Amino acid sequence: QKEVEQNSGPLSVPEGAIASLNCTYSDRVSQSFFWYRQYSGKSPELIMSIYSNGDKEDGRFTAQLNKASQYVSLLIRDSQPSDSATYLCAVNGGSSASKIIFGSGTRLSIRP
Amino acid sequence: GAVVSQHPSWVICKSGTSVKIECRSLDFQATTMFWYRQFPKQSLMLMATSNEGSKATYEQGVEKDKFLINHASLTLSTLTVTSAHPEDSSFYICSARPVYGYTFGSGTRLTVV
Repeated sequence: QKEVEQNSGPLSVPEGAIASLNCTYSDRVSQSFFWYRQYSGKSPELIMSIYSNGDKEDGRFTAQLNKASQYVSLLIRDSQPSDSATYLCAVNGGSSASKIIFGSGTRLSIRP
Repeated sequence: GAVVSQHPSWVICKSGTSVKIECRSLDFQATTMFWYRQFPKQSLMLMATSNEGSKATYEQGVEKDKFLINHASLTLSTLTVTSAHPEDSSFYICSARPVYGYTFGSGTRLTVV
């Protein structure tokens, strides 16, 4: 079992709709959770971080964390073509406390 | 916000030569930096953790004699790919953690011909 799992996609969403990206992790003691966006040929950029159960909203983005289910998600409201990218889920603070472990990423495509 | 500067952004080298990649934290001190490698359509794979003033910690399967890491100051870590081969061609990215989250350098596209 991979430490951080994501559906590779591609996930196709119409412009203006809500895009929902999901991620599960295996290390139950993980403490910090991140969503990164990566455009092709570029390095990742941090979108959201979440540390406690529940929802965290920042503009059009909402991160959701459920530690009991070892599940973290990212919702993108009012999806725009510029949101088309690969979204990486990352987890830190588990058994390997100093390291951040990335999922394989979900490719999101927003169709006009 | 915290910035990590990585240089060069791309490099082409001949097989058998060595290439050095620099990673600098511009407005914060980084006692620890991380080096990743990313092959096309794959996720980031952690290669090693660079520690200021001490030896780097390499992930399983990463040759420490091939990928030399030096973290001589609180703002600079370097990765040297020695005796590069075409299979070393990849996107190399460094990262540091200022306060919250991890900030990435812009990456170095290495092509070995």
